[in-house]
Amino acid sequence: GEDVEQSLFLSVREGDSSVINCTYTDSSSTYLYWYKQEPGAGLQLLTYIFSNMDMKQDQRLTVLLNKKDKHLSLRIADTQTGDSAIYFCAEIFTTDSWGKLQFGAGTQVVVTP
Amino acid sequence: NAGVTQTPKFQVLKTGQSMTLQCAQDMNHNSMYWYRQDPGMGLRLIYYSASEGTTDKGEVPNGYNVSRLNKREFSLRLESAAPSQTSVYFCASRATGGTGELFFGEGSRLTVL
Repeated sequence: GEDVEQSLFLSVREGDSSVINCTYTDSSSTYLYWYKQEPGAGLQLLTYIFSNMDMKQDQRLTVLLNKKDKHLSLRIADTQTGDSAIYFCAEIFTTDSWGKLQFGAGTQVVVTP
Repeated sequence: NAGVTQTPKFQVLKTGQSMTLQCAQDMNHNSMYWYRQDPGMGLRLIYYSASEGTTDKGEVPNGYNVSRLNKREFSLRLESAAPSQTSVYFCASRATGGTGELFFGEGSRLTVL
């Protein structure tokens, strides 16, 4: 079973904000990530946050980390049709060579006009 | 930059046939990974290689074998394909240290009849 949990689907209107939530179980995680997968493509890193941070902002993206509740969220401001994709939350315990990322099941985001 | 290259992109097999998925990366990364992606289950780790000459089982290794041929190449072999191995397979690589980011190939879609 997965240690990282996400809701499977989110529908949002173009121009609104999207919020994708994730819970994780390894309190020792070093980095937490958001990956984006467009149809027929591999995953690409969207953003990441180091475990000693609470928030990270990068243009339209805001990542919030609540370590007490082991909760990670990704907010996309002014959502566009190009933001339609599957978004994966992931965590890693160590970035040493033997570290492995643990992924959630992915949230399908559909942006409607 | 090529990044991570996987071949073939599509393959149809009959039950019992064997095949090898090839993966190569040109980023001088130490670690390489094979994942499978199934609807609603996210990414599951099949095997990984922390460095040249080493391989280890992931979450779902049964029915697969791997070879880390050199630092660049990491292949995945299905000795006797089964319908349950119908999936999209992703190869990924990661540098040691840093932010731990995984770089993914575009995927290989395998159908076993």
